[in-house]
Amino acid sequence: GENVEQHPSTLSVQEGDSAVIKCTYSDSASNYFPWYKQELGKGPQLIIDIRSNVGEKKDQRIAVTLNKTAKHFSLHITETQPEDSAVYFCAALMDSNYQLIWGAGTKLIIKP
Amino acid sequence: ETGVTQTPRHLVMGMTNKKSLKCEQHLGHNAMYWYKQSAKKPLELMFVYNFKEQTENNSVPSRFSPECPNSSHLFLHLHTLQPEDSALYLCASSQDKHPTYEQYFGPGTRLTVT
Repeated sequence: GENVEQHPSTLSVQEGDSAVIKCTYSDSASNYFPWYKQELGKGPQLIIDIRSNVGEKKDQRIAVTLNKTAKHFSLHITETQPEDSAVYFCAALMDSNYQLIWGAGTKLIIKP
Repeated sequence: ETGVTQTPRHLVMGMTNKKSLKCEQHLGHNAMYWYKQSAKKPLELMFVYNFKEQTENNSVPSRFSPECPNSSHLFLHLHTLQPEDSALYLCASSQDKHPTYEQYFGPGTRLTVT
């Protein structure tokens, strides 16, 4: 079936450094890719999304890039801060069943 | 706060018990969702309701029974659960059921089946 693979499962970076999380998807017809952030004890919250008609989108310290040919997209966080520590989930909208298929999540740890 | 509340936050139940999870959204949204979240696994969509009507049931076992009396409230009735049903159950809402609409999640109910 359709799936989304997310790597790494855990990422530890020094405060102030950049973090990159990558996801690959299987449905070449996918056209919508959101990223959600889940802080401890809370539900996921949308932080940025991208559609297939653009290759990159930025919002302050976060950016998402999309490579449709390779069927992968990435989340980039620059100048990481302690409040960036959380689990990040990617997702892709599958054209086959018109549902979001989620990655397994990346636990981001920001070391002081 | 996201505008979506869930009760209880924690629940321990035996396999023969019957319990219910409650979700309420204060955002005026039309669509509501139940998800199952297990450690290190992708979110699993269970049910989708739009304008109180169920539009998706992703092959969920009948021991999980959803109820949506109005657009603001969503319940998940549980009975005869198995230990593998232990997980975090998330409720979410969105303005519309189209997947490109932002989903607002509640904090979840941590369910343990003993």
